[in-house]
This record gives sequence, C-alpha cells and structure tokens, in this order.
Amino acid sequence: AQSVTQLDSQVPVFEEAPVELRCNYSSSVSVYLFWYVQYPNQGLQLLLKYLSGSTLVKGINGFEAEFNKSQTSFHLRKPSVHISDTAEYFCAFSGGYNKLIFGAGTRLAVHP
Amino acid sequence: SQTIHQWPATLVQPVGSPLSLECTVEGTSNPNLYWYRQAAGRGLQLLFYSVGIGQISSEVPQNLSASRPQDRQFILSSKKLLLSDSGFYLCAWYPGTGNSEQYFGPGTRLTVT
Repeated sequence: AQSVTQLDSQVPVFEEAPVELRCNYSSSVSVYLFWYVQYPNQGLQLLLKYLSGSTLVKGINGFEAEFNKSQTSFHLRKPSVHISDTAEYFCAFSGGYNKLIFGAGTRLAVHP
Repeated sequence: SQTIHQWPATLVQPVGSPLSLECTVEGTSNPNLYWYRQAAGRGLQLLFYSVGIGQISSEVPQNLSASRPQDRQFILSSKKLLLSDSGFYLCAWYPGTGNSEQYFGPGTRLTVT
C-alpha cells in the first residue's frame, strides 16, 4: 500500500539552529514528492517539489529537500530557522489522478 | 491568474443538521478538484476528487457526499452531521496536466456541537 510516514510529530528548535524534518514514503511506482507548509487556520502552501532530475530540491523560504530513492526518503532541511517558520509541515506524494497522499504532519516550533 | 475560494470560513452546526460547503476556482478550465479533511491533530485525508462535471470519486466511506454541478464548482454536503465530522476542510485544484502541484484553498473550519 502507498503511504507516507513523517517520523516526528513535533520538532522543537531554537532560532537560528538548523532543522531536519524527516519523511519516508512507500510506493511501488515512481512518485512525485512534495512538502507543504500550513500556518494556523490557513490552507496549505507549497514549499518545494521533486518531479525528476536533481535529487536536491530548493524551495521557498530557504528550505531544501533531498530525494533518496534507495532509502525512499525525502527529508526537509533548513540551515537556520526563524520564529516565522513555526508551522505544521506536510510531506506528500502524488498517486493516480494526481491524488495526494499526505503524512500526518510535523509541527515545527521555533523558540527564541 | 488562478484563485480558489472556499466558504464559509468557519461554521458551527448542531448534530443532525445538514451541511453545504462550497469551493470555486477562477482562471482555469476543466481542473481536477479535491476535498480533504484535516481532523484535530491529524494529517490530511482525501475525501473526494473529481475529474469533470458530474464525475465524483469517493475515497473513504462516510457521512458526506460531493457534487460538481459546474466545471469550477465543487460542493461538499451532508444530510445529517455527526460529531466526528468536525474538522478543517480543504478544497484543492490541479490543472490536469503539467507539474502535479495542487493548489489549496483557505479552508473551512467546521465544528459540530
């Protein structure tokens, strides 16, 4: 069965520290991979996506992610976080009819 | 440019009452449309998707139904709400070709009391 696992439900981190949010997927076919961010009571905004090509993908707000096919992972990283990065982050991949299969989400809390 | 609207933004309804949430997309034609639900402390679950007018696919058995009466309009309904229907409902669209990114609306917060 196709699924996405986000290994951490919550990640606390201090401002200006680096952060990695982990994501693993399970699929028997090639996938498109996405990271979305959700600020409180808002919709989802795309951070970055992997469709093909270079396995290192750069997105908005200084985030990047690396696609690792052998480890079926797509971890999200940022070298230095800000208070404004506090939000919930969702990893997802695209199945048939472009249906998105989401992980449970990781709540990133950036502390001063 | 394309925009997606959802209304209402928030809704409080008693158990057993009907529901109608609306989603409309502007600036595109024949999009794929999706309804997701986000329950408290949980990820997003795909409820319905539609690839054209009158074409609805349900992903999970539930108390809800969806309809697509017009190309860019997607409606989520219920005849009798349950407490478990509470959550944050998100509509999304995809152009049907291209880069596979879905674009999300601002969401509707539904509280069933």
